[in-house]
Order: sequence, then C-alpha cells, then structure tokens
Amino acid sequence: DADVTQTPRNRITKTGKRIMLECSQTKGHDRMYWYRQDPGLGLRLIYYSFDVKDINKGEISDGYSVSRQAQAKFSLSLESAIPNQTALYFCATSDHSRGETQYFGPGTRLLVL
Amino acid sequence: AQSVSQHNHHVILSEAASLELGCNYSYGGTVNLFWYVQYPGQHLQLLLKYFSGDPLVKGIKGFEAEFIKSKFSFNLRKPSVQWSDTAEYFCAVNGQNGFNKFCFGSGTKLNVKP
Repeated sequence: DADVTQTPRNRITKTGKRIMLECSQTKGHDRMYWYRQDPGLGLRLIYYSFDVKDINKGEISDGYSVSRQAQAKFSLSLESAIPNQTALYFCATSDHSRGETQYFGPGTRLLVL
Repeated sequence: AQSVSQHNHHVILSEAASLELGCNYSYGGTVNLFWYVQYPGQHLQLLLKYFSGDPLVKGIKGFEAEFIKSKFSFNLRKPSVQWSDTAEYFCAVNGQNGFNKFCFGSGTKLNVKP
C-alpha cells in the first residue's frame, strides 16, 4: 500500500550498531505501530503511538525505541543491534474513528550479523 | 488478555479445492475481527473484517468468513482456491471498547498446487 512507506526496505548491519527504520504515511491516520515478524510467531507489537505526544510500549519493546516526529512519521531505532533482532519489521497505521483497521507498509528486512 | 489461535500452520491444497482456515480468539468483550493476507515477499493486506451485523462477511478475491460468537471463532473460507492464493493468512482481533491492541495469530501458510 503506497500510502504507508518504509525506508530502508533491506538493511544489513553489525552487532552493536545503532540503526533507524523510518515510516511515513499519507493516509492521515492518527495511530501508528511498529511490529516485527518472525517465522511461526506471527506479528508482535513493539511500540505504538496514538498521536505525536503519545508513545506506548508493546509486548516486545526491550532493545528498541521510537520517535513520533509528526503525525505522518514514526521511526524505530535499535540502539545497539543484536543478531536476534534479525527480522522483518512492519509499520502500520489506523484511524481510531474507523474501527482501527490497520494498514501496513511494505516492510523492512533487517539482518544483524 | 487477548489471544488468537490459528490451528493450521501449514495447509497444502490442489487448485479448485475448498479452503477453511480456523481462527479462535480469547477476549472478554465485544471484538472487531480481521483476516489479513501476505503474498510472498509482500506486506499484509486486509482481506476482510467484521465489526457488527451479518456474521457472514464477504471479502476480496472470493473469500468469506463467519463469526460464530458462541464458539469465539472467525474461520476463513473459499469454495475453490487458485494457485494465486498461495500466501500466508493472519487472523487478528481487537476490542471494540476503548483501545485494545491488535492481537495477531501466528499465521497459516497456504500452498496451492497448480
């Protein structure tokens, strides 16, 4: 869905490096989310944000931080990357007034060596 | 706490076979229910959703799902699958009252043989 974009799409990094994944949306939604996807585990919520002044931890926030720079932008940082953070990362958005249907970006495939 | 169970992790079918993927949820209130599809190498796309009303929901590409409240189930069906339906399918739930995080099932990989 071109309304939700993620950069980079693929990234290889080394253990201990700091890395930032970015998400932008043109859907005008107020809520944004970061998930990671691992084989057999489905999607797990890392952080979510209701608006630019609201940040909440998800179920697996350790080792991650986020920044909501504007309503349309939500970035995810790995402060010191470790190999078990190798995964597919998805950003999603939703509109609280429309039943919270989530719309996903194309994903960022991250490999931590 | 919410949870979603998808019973089948991997399903293999031949073209034209009928499909039913199971989804059961655990939640103590009124829910919104969703099925998402992830084609190989792509992001998740909404297949269909249920908020209220007719418990039989029709989605895109000939898919449908039935909400059975008494069984806490929201199974996905398609009468005749095609090779292009090869994908991973995720069931998800969130509560209607206040904000409840989306809870995804672990996914079912569907492989349709041509």
